Amino acid sequence: EADIYQTPRYLVIGTGKKITLECSQTMGHDKMYWYQQDPGMELHLIHYSYGVNSTEKGDLSSESTVSRIRTEHFPLTLESARPSHTSQYLCASSMGLRQYNSPLHFGNGTRLTVT
Amino acid sequence: SQQGEEDPQALSIQEGENATMNCSYKTSINNLQWYRQNSGRGLVHLILIRSNEREKHSGRLRVTLDTSKKSSSLLITASRAADTASYFCATGTNSGTYKYIFGTGTRLKVLA
Repeated sequence: EADIYQTPRYLVIGTGKKITLECSQTMGHDKMYWYQQDPGMELHLIHYSYGVNSTEKGDLSSESTVSRIRTEHFPLTLESARPSHTSQYLCASSMGLRQYNSPLHFGNGTRLTVT
Repeated sequence: SQQGEEDPQALSIQEGENATMNCSYKTSINNLQWYRQNSGRGLVHLILIRSNEREKHSGRLRVTLDTSKKSSSLLITASRAADTASYFCATGTNSGTYKYIFGTGTRLKVLA
């Protein structure tokens, strides 16, 4: 398994709470990604980063924000959680800023439930 | 609709049989990758095929790519119960970005 870690594994919170989902990788990868996946469904890209201080929004509109202050760390923050945010969030990374043909390494995900 | 769409959506076979999954996509690609996802877990990379390749093998996996039809297939030979999982294709585009677009997935169940 790849060295990419997500915490917490499961999170149940109430509406309106601020939360941060953590993602760290020890492989020195430049590129990192956040995907949202509902059970049994496809993955939707919500944020990505090419390196430190680089962040971009993905294809799926999201009310979350991300930061990339260190290469190994790519946290995702929801300022005010809502039940519509209930989903699984998957973090991934890949190597080589100029390599198109590099596979993604995924964490095991955070399953978020907003009540 | 999705860049990548898998077919079938679900597949149930007996142990020892071969499983074939197909993926279609819409735009020009640089590469196509296949991933496996066990229930409740992250995705695991299986195999990558570049746009200038037509076929690739890795153990019991065989992947083909037909860029003229914008399609790919994943064949798992002599399937095992442990192969039960969802399988996704992902395309890397030539757009100058490094985004990977995932398909809708095929849920494979291998019966012992």
